[in-house]
Amino acid sequence: NAGVTQTPKFRVLKTGQSMTLLCAQDMNHEYMYWYRQDPGMGLRLIHYSVGEGTTAKGEVPDGYNVSRLKKQNFLLGLESAAPSQTSVYFCASSTDSIGQPQHFGDGTRLSIL
Amino acid sequence: EDQVTQSPEALRLQEGESSSLNCSYTVSGLRGLFWYRQDPGKGPEFLFTLYSAGEEKEKERLKATLTKKESFLHITAPKPEDSATYLCAVANNAGNMLTFGGGTRLMVKP
Repeated sequence: NAGVTQTPKFRVLKTGQSMTLLCAQDMNHEYMYWYRQDPGMGLRLIHYSVGEGTTAKGEVPDGYNVSRLKKQNFLLGLESAAPSQTSVYFCASSTDSIGQPQHFGDGTRLSIL
Repeated sequence: EDQVTQSPEALRLQEGESSSLNCSYTVSGLRGLFWYRQDPGKGPEFLFTLYSAGEEKEKERLKATLTKKESFLHITAPKPEDSATYLCAVANNAGNMLTFGGGTRLMVKP
């Protein structure tokens, strides 16, 4: 049982490049989330989805886009990467509401040069 | 705006030395308070959910408690394998987001 799987695990980009981070969950969860974790800032929500085909903005959405075409997958896109987006990105999923615990993947470590 | 403050930022204990981690919060209608454990290079791992003041939950050497303003994570007779960063987060009734605290880094020496 894999739970939440994130790919890639590490990536280095140059400023202005684009990329997509993939999150896949095999728990049939409705809700999915993308966070970034920075030293001294804690975990901050970028975007989230409450079901297939839906997305919504979180606390720090600027510079990111997301898509949830299939229930099990949640994609995070950076159209034009900036050094300020250097961070560790975590995906999470939960059953059907914010009151339920979220299950996290092991993160993608992204460096923008 | 919901706020979560965890203290201390770092805590060093000797094996067997019990202590408590604090999570102070302000939230507009508490939906739930969550405790997570995070090991280096890994994602947060769910520990407990507390939903109302007075509620307590236990798991092995860990016990979480909740009041209207704060939550405590009590660690009894810790072992080196309890070393990790412990995160606290709150969900309010109005939205779909968790607000996380900055975490407490716990180090247990043998």
